[in-house]
Amino acid sequence: SYVLTQPPSVSVAPGQTARITCGGNNIGSKSVHWYQQKPGQAPVLVVYDDSDRPSGIPERFSGSNSGNTATLTISRVEAGDEADYYCQVWDSSSDHYVFGTGTKVTVL
Amino acid sequence: EVQLVESGGGLVKPGGSLRLSCAASGFTFSSYSMNWVRQAPGKGLEWVSSISSSSSYIYYADSVKGRFTISRDNAKNSLYLQMNSLRAEDTAVYYCAREGAGGTFDYWGQGTLVTVSS
Repeated sequence: SYVLTQPPSVSVAPGQTARITCGGNNIGSKSVHWYQQKPGQAPVLVVYDDSDRPSGIPERFSGSNSGNTATLTISRVEAGDEADYYCQVWDSSSDHYVFGTGTKVTVL
Repeated sequence: EVQLVESGGGLVKPGGSLRLSCAASGFTFSSYSMNWVRQAPGKGLEWVSSISSSSSYIYYADSVKGRFTISRDNAKNSLYLQMNSLRAEDTAVYYCAREGAGGTFDYWGQGTLVTVSS
């Protein structure tokens, strides 16, 4: 089955840039979506199709995808960005959706 | 406004059954595929099952295949998950999620907690 690997945690100071990676075999050939989940809340879609943003999501959230790694970038990090982040793809070889292992972003 | 409201969670013994429901409103339910996603306490997200708009296509995670059954009633704007032969490892918050363009989960419910314990 297809596996998506994320770093367990990323720490960043306010105003700096956080980069969260999502590794998978030839992930660059898939569309990657990213979700933000705050404690006790349902996930929220923050980036879709590698780099697009749903309406209402700040421009500070951006994404890229190439080769074996997709990346979610949060610029000018704010305290309110502290959350868990998950990448997600559709694996057509198994007809399964797959989530990444998740990354906890801590704002110092 | 899109709303998804799950219900039916609770405490069940190992080997028991439970049926979850998800009531949808604020959009044309019959036009969208729907999904169940779960999250065990303190753990990450796990996709459980997907059903197409007309129920023609149904998919399951390997961990639940043969035990869980997803269904929908477009006339009632409702999504269901019948869970049989429940195990301790099925303990989780179960979310109902609408499938948007490109295979995204663009709207989520608030979740319902299922606890499997003796």
